Parts: sequence; C-alpha cells; structure tokens
Amino acid sequence: NAGVTQTPKFRVLKTGQSMTLLCAQDMNHEYMYWYRQDPGMGLRLIHYSVGEGTTAKGEVPDGYNVSRLKKQNFLLGLESAAPSQTSVYFCASSWTEREQYFGPGTRLTVT
Amino acid sequence: RKEVEQDPGPFNVPEGATVAFNCTYSNSASQSFFWYRQDCRKEPKLLMSVYSSGNEDGRFTAQLNRASQYISLLIRDSKLSDSATYLCVVNSKAAGNKLTFGGGTRVLVKP
Repeated sequence: NAGVTQTPKFRVLKTGQSMTLLCAQDMNHEYMYWYRQDPGMGLRLIHYSVGEGTTAKGEVPDGYNVSRLKKQNFLLGLESAAPSQTSVYFCASSWTEREQYFGPGTRLTVT
Repeated sequence: RKEVEQDPGPFNVPEGATVAFNCTYSNSASQSFFWYRQDCRKEPKLLMSVYSSGNEDGRFTAQLNRASQYISLLIRDSKLSDSATYLCVVNSKAAGNKLTFGGGTRVLVKP
C-alpha cells in the first residue's frame, strides 16, 4: 500500500516549457487535490476533484489544468511555465472533505 | 486578512517543557478544525482533529474557542522529535467544504 505517490520529485523548467505532474493513490479515495506551498503562504488549493471525470477550480487555478480520467490518478499540467510557478506541489486524497493524505511533493523550479 | 492566521514562530522550547500556540480563523461558519504536522521538506500529516469540547491525544491537547474564533495546540513534555511546523486547518461549507491551511507555526525543541 503505497498511499499517495507523486512523479517527478524534482524538476527544473525554462520559462514557456510545459510539463505534467502525476499523482496516484491506491486507497480508492474519491477526492483528490493539488496544492502549492510557498514560503509564508501556507498550502493553497489549485484544483480538486470529487470523483473520476470531475474537476473544479480551487483558490489559485490560473496557469494550471488538471484531468482525472481514472479514479486513482490526478494529473496537473502547466502549459507554459512561468517563474511565479516555482513552488512545491503537493497532491492529496481523501474519503471525505476532512482528513487528507498527502504525497511527498514535487519541487519545481522555473528559470 | 488571511482566512487562517498563525504565528510563524519559531517557538524555541527546552526539551521537557510545555509549549502552546494559537491559530485564528476569520470565517464564523467554519465547521471542522484540525492540526497537521509538517516536517522539514516533507508532506503534511494529520496530527489531530479539534472537537468543540477540546480533546487530548497523549501529550497533545487541542482546544476550540468558537466565540473568539481560535483554536490552540498545547504540547506537554516536549520531545526533540516534536520539532516541526504545525499547520492549523479549517473546513467550512462557505469555502465549498474545502480545507483552508494556515501558514504554520514552527516549533524547535532543544536539548
């Protein structure tokens, strides 16, 4: 039982490049979330999903897209990376909108 | 004003001492409250939920004051392993039933 896993762990992008972050969970959770964490800002919700095939915007969705084609996977895409997207990205999943289980994070630097 | 505010610290605590810190929230409709723990460069993990009557989990005690809109966490007999950042988390229907994270309070326990 791996819990929540994220791929990749680290990435450096140049401005304008695109990439996809993958989140996978093996707990059969309905809810999945993508957050970014910046110093002094706390965790901010980017997008979330309440079930397979559904997605919704969170607090800071601009510049990101998501997809949830399979229940266990939640993808976060950056179409044209900007330096402001340098951050640590965490994926989380949960049974309900209460306790969330987090992945180990992806450290992204955009130069 | 941030929805969930915390003193960033750090709180420097001698081993064996007691430390307490608060978190304030702005949304009076908030319904659920949690403390998460985050170790350096790691993912957040649920420490404990906070109930209206207050609750204890070993050396940790959480309190909720709805009238003044704050929650507190007290750590007794601090251990070196308690060094971490403690995140205050609030859930409210007004926020689409999603979790809102505070910026965290850093605690450093020293020998």
